[in-house]
Amino acid sequence: AQSVAQPEDQVNVAEGNPLTVKCTYSVSGNPYLFWYVQYPNRGLQFLLKYITGDNLVKGSYGFEAEFNKSQTSFHLKKPSALVSDSALYFCAVRDPFYGGSQGNLIFGKGTKLSVKP
Amino acid sequence: DGGITQSPKYLFRKEGQNVTLSCEQNLNHDAMYWYRQDPGQGLRLIYYSQIVNDFQKGDIAEGYSVSREKKESFPLTVTSAQKNPTAFYLCASSNRREGNQPQHFGDGTRLSIL
Repeated sequence: AQSVAQPEDQVNVAEGNPLTVKCTYSVSGNPYLFWYVQYPNRGLQFLLKYITGDNLVKGSYGFEAEFNKSQTSFHLKKPSALVSDSALYFCAVRDPFYGGSQGNLIFGKGTKLSVKP
Repeated sequence: DGGITQSPKYLFRKEGQNVTLSCEQNLNHDAMYWYRQDPGQGLRLIYYSQIVNDFQKGDIAEGYSVSREKKESFPLTVTSAQKNPTAFYLCASSNRREGNQPQHFGDGTRLSIL
């Protein structure tokens, strides 16, 4: 069965420092991977996705993520954090091999990012 | 602007009452979804629909019902059988459920018990 894990409930970073939010996944084939961000009392906003090709994916607001097949990871990164990046971040995975209920998008539990000035 | 509109933003339910959450999209997407979000638990899929007049149960469908009479609309009813309905409910849509396009989300409805 497919699954996704975000091992850190919270990540604290000083403004201007690089940030990493971790995500690992488990699927039987080649995954579709997504990162979303959620601000308080709002819906999720799409940041970036990995489908195939270059392992380094660039997305919105200066975020990027690196797909590592051998480590089954898809960590979200940003070279220089902003206070406005403080939010809840979700990793999601789908195994395109499956249809039916096994083909649904699976979300991690989320990581709260706190960027201090 | 294209997007997903959820209403109301806040909703209160009395004991034994059914309540309906609205979700409308003007993105011309075929697939629509309902998720429940609880603190520390991420998003859990309640129901999804790939096409008009068809929908499927997700992981936590008990106590909920949906309809898909129009492509643009996918309302969710929280029935009195759902004993713990307090949560943040999110509606989403995508071009196709089995494609690689991201899901687009509304801004949610927060449901509480009176």
